[in-house]
Formats: sequence, structure tokens, C-alpha cells
Amino acid sequence: TQLLEQSPQFLSIQEGENLTVYCNSSSVFSSLQWYRQEPGEGPVLLVTVVTGGEVKKLKRLTFQFGDARKDSSLHITAAQPGDTGLYLCAAYSGNTPLVFGKGTRLSVIA
Amino acid sequence: EPEVTQTPSHQVTQMGQEVILRCVPISNHLYFYWYRQILGQKVEFLVSFYNNEISEKSEIFDDQFSVERPDGSNFTLKIRSTKLEDSAMYFCATSHRAHSETQYFGPGTRLLVL
Repeated sequence: TQLLEQSPQFLSIQEGENLTVYCNSSSVFSSLQWYRQEPGEGPVLLVTVVTGGEVKKLKRLTFQFGDARKDSSLHITAAQPGDTGLYLCAAYSGNTPLVFGKGTRLSVIA
Repeated sequence: EPEVTQTPSHQVTQMGQEVILRCVPISNHLYFYWYRQILGQKVEFLVSFYNNEISEKSEIFDDQFSVERPDGSNFTLKIRSTKLEDSAMYFCATSHRAHSETQYFGPGTRLLVL
């Protein structure tokens, strides 16, 4: 069973600060996705990464897939209150179903 | 932008009753999935569906659960005799091609079994 470990579990920061959250596993993944989930809603896709070492940017969000395709990070620059939410990573390994991490709950305080 | 829709948004039912959760996939997507998320826990895979057949299912997806695409547009999840522990958010997701493609999630149905 593949496990995706996300850290930290909770993060509370001031508006304007930078932060990085992590998604780690001992398994190699063919692709990895980051989602953001608001309370009572479905996960909303932010990005998909497929190549080891790949870096993708989405405005103030930077996503990196590890060289060995076992881990990923999400960096947010100058966090804003609108970034508050639950950030989930999810990944595939071969033909296995999509596996989710437990998420990092981010709170950005104005 | 095309999106996955789900109905109802909320469902309250008595233990032992049957429920049907409905999903309308993105129109050109061929792979459909159901997931559930018990309050405070991970999103968990239930089942994947392609070409009118179940392609994979998890241990959670026991004989109480079934899926079908009754009319070529809706994709449904039926729970035949609900249990208290079936209370959760149920998410439908769809992808364009192979199941390793990026999946797009619906807003979910919150099921409460009393």
C-alpha cells in the first residue's frame, strides 16, 4: 500500500509570509497532483506533475516533483488570506488507483 | 469551463435505506470514479468505471455498493442498505483517457445516515 505523508499537518502564518508544504512517499509515482479543498466541497485541481525534477508555477504557487518521483513540494510566496484551505497531494503508481495524503491545513491570518 | 456536477448536495437517510448518488461527468471524459471522505479523514478510492464496466474497486466497495451509467450521461453510486459508517462526503471524479490521467472532482454529496 502506497502512503503519501504530508507535512506539516497544520500551518498558521501571517499574511505576506512564505511557506512550503511537503508530500513524501517511499514509492515511485508516475504522476502527482496537488488539490485544494474548501470545507464541504470537492478537491479542486491545482497542478499535475509527471517528470522527475519538474517545476511548475501557478502565480504565487510553485510546485516541484522530486528527481526520483517519490516526493513533491508546494511553495507559496507572500501568502494571502485567500490561500487558506486544505492542500492535498494525490498520486498514481503504475496502474493503482489515485492515493491521497491527509493534507496540510493552511490558515493565513490577515 | 466544463465541470463535474453531483446531486443531491446533501442526503439524510435512515439506516437500512437505499440511496442513489448521481454524477454528471465532463462530457468528453471516459473514465469515472467514486471516492468517499469520512469527516476529518483522507479521500479514499471506492471504484473506477470505464466502458460500462467496473475496472477497479477497493475493499470498501463491497456488495452493498453498485455503480451504473443508466442513460449515457449520469453516473450513479447506489448504496443498497446504508449503515451508520457510510456517513461521509462522496465525490465523483472523471478523467479524459486512462485512469492515470488527471482527475476532476465534483463538489460532492454529503450523506448522513441516522
